[in-house]
Amino acid sequence: AQSVTQLDSHVSVSEGTPVLLRCNYSSSYSPSLFWYVQHPNKGLQLLLKYTSAATLVKGINGFEAEFKKSETSFHLTKPSAHMSDAAEYFCVVSDQTGRRALTFGSGTRLQVQP
Amino acid sequence: DAGVIQSPRHEVTEMGQEVTLRCKLISGHNSLFWYRQTMMRGLELLIYFNNNVPIDDSGMPEDRFSAKMPNASFSTLKIQPSEPRDSAVYFCASSLGASNSPLHFGNGTRLTVT
Repeated sequence: AQSVTQLDSHVSVSEGTPVLLRCNYSSSYSPSLFWYVQHPNKGLQLLLKYTSAATLVKGINGFEAEFKKSETSFHLTKPSAHMSDAAEYFCVVSDQTGRRALTFGSGTRLQVQP
Repeated sequence: DAGVIQSPRHEVTEMGQEVTLRCKLISGHNSLFWYRQTMMRGLELLIYFNNNVPIDDSGMPEDRFSAKMPNASFSTLKIQPSEPRDSAVYFCASSLGASNSPLHFGNGTRLTVT
């Protein structure tokens, strides 16, 4: 069984300050982990993915995430928030079985204040 | 690459009517996923196909919902008869099928059943 918990439903930051969106997971197998972003009235777009290579993963738009097995975490960070980063962010775990089971977190809504 | 294409973008219908949502996969992708998104329940996987074969339809709410892949690049999700509680945004996503391959989402169909 697998699960993913996004620890904050809403995060508000000021433009130019760091962003931290937290995600914890559980998985019976060696997981693949993803972060997706959803802007209003749009589908989900892949930000980055971890698939058992480097533990620090760099994504698009300056985002990165670090896989920490000991903490079962995959937090998303960005050094400096931009107004265009305001969106909903989803953490996703896949347990890499042939059955292709993906589990989505409940989402974190990021607000960026001017 | 045009991405995953969904139609229509918006659908408003009356209770009891049949609704058909359409999805065109990215060329070369062989896995197809239908999701439903609501404020109350977040993202829910309805069904997914691999190589045109339904692999897991356990998320399909009830017999009123059916999904097909008449060919490798196209899928439909049908609701008959529709009910107000079916109102949601329906997303289609495709991938190359491997468990660590990211999903590529369409922009969704916003369904309103009155």
